[in-house]
Formats: sequence, structure tokens, C-alpha cells
Amino acid sequence: DIQMTQFPSSLSASVGDRVTITCRTSQAISSSLNWYQQKPGKAPQLLIYGTSNLFRGVPSTFSGSGSATEFTLTISSLQPEDSATFYCQQSYSIPHTFGQGTTVEV
Amino acid sequence: QVQLQESGPGLVKPSETLSLSCSVSGGPIDNYYWSWIRQPPGGGLEWIGYVFYGRRTKYNPSFNDRVAMSTDTSQNRFSLNLSSVTPADTAVYFCAHFSAANSYIYWGQGILVTVSS
Repeated sequence: DIQMTQFPSSLSASVGDRVTITCRTSQAISSSLNWYQQKPGKAPQLLIYGTSNLFRGVPSTFSGSGSATEFTLTISSLQPEDSATFYCQQSYSIPHTFGQGTTVEV
Repeated sequence: QVQLQESGPGLVKPSETLSLSCSVSGGPIDNYYWSWIRQPPGGGLEWIGYVFYGRRTKYNPSFNDRVAMSTDTSQNRFSLNLSSVTPADTAVYFCAHFSAANSYIYWGQGILVTVSS
């Protein structure tokens, strides 16, 4: 299985701050890395697919980058509604695996 | 717009089989990938497997052959059976559509299943 190491596990930041979350994989996964946002009691929602592609309807304050084994999710200007837990997920090989999650408090 | 809705019992006894269904609206389930993902209370996300092209399947080996998935194209739904459950299988179970973009775009709202006697 491809192991996913996501950090930090939690962070607290202010409105307008730039925030970066990192996801490292135990082997190279090309660009097969997705990011999801999950709010309490809700299903995860896709933010970024294929490392850097913004899913429809997702604010442009979100962006993704990376390659091989290191990937980042950046929120360029944090908003109150961004409070959530964020997960990375690889779809390079079976079983699909997720990072442990990063809880963002605004 | 594809919508998914999980259904099934919220309580299962240890050693029994957990059985869930996911009804799909907004599109046919043929020729697509349909997945189950779970999340224990306060925990992270765990991929269980997917069923695709009607009857082909791929499962997470960590479930040690306890998993079976199937589709019912006449009802436009797919199902999960997880056998020999223990309290460690207590989780919110999500059904989801694995898209051509290799990502999970559409999710059900999730259903909490508790394993307890």
C-alpha cells in the first residue's frame, strides 16, 4: 500500500492568512493526488484533482501543486468558511489511500 | 447531477454481516466505478473497494476477504457486504462515485453503522 503522510495534523490561522498543507507519499504517484475538504457531519468534498486541477465551483483561493512524492494544498487567503478537515488521497494504485487529515481552525 | 444515498441497518451484532445499499440517481451505474469508503468516529478515511463495469471488483486487502460488492442495474444501486464484523468496523460508511478524473466527485451523505451486541 502507498502510505500517505500529511502534515501538520492541525493548524490555527487568521482570516486572510496563507496556509499550506503538505502530503508525502511512500512512493512516486505521478500526478494522481487529490484533495478533499470535510466539514463536521458531512461527506468530503473534492477541491483539487490530479494534483493541481481546481474542481468546479471551488474558490480560486485554493490551489495544489507537487509531483512524485510531495504535494501541497495552499489556501492563499483563508476565509472563515474554510474551517474544516482537509485530506489528501492517492488514486495511483489500489488500495486508494488517504492522508490522516489536517484540521484547519480559522 | 449524480446523487447517492446510502441505506441499511444502523446497528449490527458482532460476527454478523453488515449490508448496505447505495441508490444512485441522475445517471446509470453501468460502465462506471462505484466505491465504498468508511470513517470511524473521530477518525480518518479508509477505502474499502469499488465495483465497476457492472460486476468487476477491487477490494482493499486489509479487509481479508470479508468484503463483497455488487450492483443491481435494474434498481440503479450498488451494495456492500462486510462479513464477520467486530466493534472495530463501527464507522460512517460513504458510497461514492470514482470519476474519469480519478477522483471522488460524488458522495452519499454517509450512514453510521454501529457494531454492538
